[in-house]
Amino acid sequence: DAKTTQPTSMDCAEGRAANLPCNHSTISGNEYVYWYRQIHSQGPQYIIHGLKNNETNEMASLIITEDRKSSTLILPHATLRDTAVYYCIVLSHAGGTSYGKLTFGQGTILTVHP
Amino acid sequence: DAGVTQSPTHLIKTRGQQVTLRCSPKSGHDTVSWYQQALGQGPQFIFQYYEEEERQRGNFPDRFSGHQFPNYSSELNVNALLLGDSALYLCASSLDTGSLKETQYFGPGTRLLVL
Repeated sequence: DAKTTQPTSMDCAEGRAANLPCNHSTISGNEYVYWYRQIHSQGPQYIIHGLKNNETNEMASLIITEDRKSSTLILPHATLRDTAVYYCIVLSHAGGTSYGKLTFGQGTILTVHP
Repeated sequence: DAGVTQSPTHLIKTRGQQVTLRCSPKSGHDTVSWYQQALGQGPQFIFQYYEEEERQRGNFPDRFSGHQFPNYSSELNVNALLLGDSALYLCASSLDTGSLKETQYFGPGTRLLVL
């Protein structure tokens, strides 16, 4: 079973920041938070991941709370092409039930509108 | 740098038939995972191959089997196809660096329709 909770859907205006929340209150110490997105009928696209520090790359920023029980993916300037299903996943890099396999939930449908 | 490739892109089979799907991992990757995505659902983990052996398996029946070749490419075989096997089949590759597993990157998928 997925160990994350995300809102079913969100809207964002083009050019504004999109902030996608994720709850992972049962995360264990060796589990990372991963974000993927999937545009209709394509394979999931890796966005970013982190353990406990905030992370930023060319696509997005990941903010993880100090207790690691929740996180937020930030798309700083959303475009129409960012419309997709966004999945938040916890993944272990070293043993445990989430070791090596991505367990997808329903994700958040983000719609970016003009 | 070639990403993950899968073939064929689309496939139509009838119930009871067998199907083989193929995956070539991203250059430099040695681990291949397979996922099934039914319409409207998130991908579900089928199994993972590393060093030509099945290392992990999800909750799928034995009709689903796989293989990994010395060049790290992989095949997914499904026997005795059922209507419920209609789905997008996704392959993901990664590099296993000992205790630290690297990010999985997905291919475009194979759309299987069972009639």
